[in-house]
Amino acid sequence: DAMVIQNPRYQVTQFGKPVTLSCSQTLNHNVMYWYQQKSSQAPKLLFHYYDKDFNNEADTPDNFQSRRPNTSFCFLDIRSPGLGDAAMYLCATGRLAGGHEQFFGPGTRLTVL
Amino acid sequence: AQSVTQLGSHVSVSEGALVLLRCNYSSSVPPYLFWYVQYPNQGLQLLLKYTSAATLVKGINGFEAEFKKSETSFHLTKPSAHMSDAAEYFCAVSGQGAQKLVFGQGTRLTINP
Repeated sequence: DAMVIQNPRYQVTQFGKPVTLSCSQTLNHNVMYWYQQKSSQAPKLLFHYYDKDFNNEADTPDNFQSRRPNTSFCFLDIRSPGLGDAAMYLCATGRLAGGHEQFFGPGTRLTVL
Repeated sequence: AQSVTQLGSHVSVSEGALVLLRCNYSSSVPPYLFWYVQYPNQGLQLLLKYTSAATLVKGINGFEAEFKKSETSFHLTKPSAHMSDAAEYFCAVSGQGAQKLVFGQGTRLTINP
């Protein structure tokens, strides 16, 4: 089945230690998104790629970076995680055609010690 | 600009009772509207979407929603709640040409036995 895959599902890191979260898709969608979701809140868009074009949200901290080496993969890099970065990180994909629905992966739960 | 308001951060119903989750939107362009469901420690799953075809939209798991332009509403209903419906529900809006979704704050649905 076509899907969005996130690895790992659970990630523990130390304060200030860089961490990378991974997302891959078999849907061949041209748009990939990264969201941060804290407890009992809606997902917050960090940035997205339309093909190779990177689109950063204005309020995304510089501590968060992303890479998309090809259509299938996208990475979220947190350069120096703080305690406030502990959250669920969701990857999603979408197409510009049609109803603009997004397809979400299962998420990575990040814990910062 | 687009926005979504979900009335009620927490809704509780008895098993077998009607489920009604409210969503009002604001959009300067004809909207696309979505309902997503999120189970604990999971990503978001699309329940249904409105893309300017039929105003009554049927989704998965027995849910449906009606687009009412005059009321700028897109409320989610299910005739008979099941214990497995307990989850967080998000309403979202996007517009023609938009690459992003705007989410409501979410409604946590609890089902009482």
